[in-house]
Amino acid sequence: GAGVSQSPSNKVTEKGKDVELRCDPISGHTALYWYRQRLGQGLEFLIYFQGNSAPDKSGLPSDRFSAERTGESVSTLTIQRTQQEDSAVYLCASSPDREGLYTFGSGTRLTVV
Amino acid sequence: AQSVSQHNHHVILSEAASLELGCNYSYGGTVNLFWYVQYPGQHLQLLLKYFSGDPLVKGIKGFEAEFIKSKFSFNLRKPSVQWSDTAEYFCAVRSSSASKIIFGSGTRLSIRP
Repeated sequence: GAGVSQSPSNKVTEKGKDVELRCDPISGHTALYWYRQRLGQGLEFLIYFQGNSAPDKSGLPSDRFSAERTGESVSTLTIQRTQQEDSAVYLCASSPDREGLYTFGSGTRLTVV
Repeated sequence: AQSVSQHNHHVILSEAASLELGCNYSYGGTVNLFWYVQYPGQHLQLLLKYFSGDPLVKGIKGFEAEFIKSKFSFNLRKPSVQWSDTAEYFCAVRSSSASKIIFGSGTRLSIRP
């Protein structure tokens, strides 16, 4: 597609439930990033995929968070046993390379109640 | 670890006023620097970038930024703001050896018509 697509746009879930967030990057973009933005704060790096290389998972805040990407296509971010502090906007970005010229999606607003 | 500081959380200006948003980073090596902007209801998008060469870089919509290596700064400027510049502005840095961009906490800019 023309841009980075994220779904769902909004998700309300009960504490303790698992959620799965999806990101569909721009076709041909080899790099894909997940960030989290809590209310009033900056973007917090979560994970980075580059082609078929091992992902950089250094930003994942706990083992409840995991992400997958198949080749250079769709990525899913999974949060298990959600907690209230997981409430945030989760942003996905893709890039044709690692130079940092990201194209961002519109984000998924996750609310844990 | 790298970090980015944006000291102004919220800036309010009248139309035609001059703008300068501060950005400082902590990293001693070679860096790439970015300003991203998020207009109300829209995705984050790249405003301008510095990789090398002339430390004064120009971006879209009349914005410019100056990289001052000795001050670890990359301040954003615009000589005369418009109401349509109302947005949130994020400074970001990537070390030349890193795969991910580190973002500041953002500055909300409000322009009075």
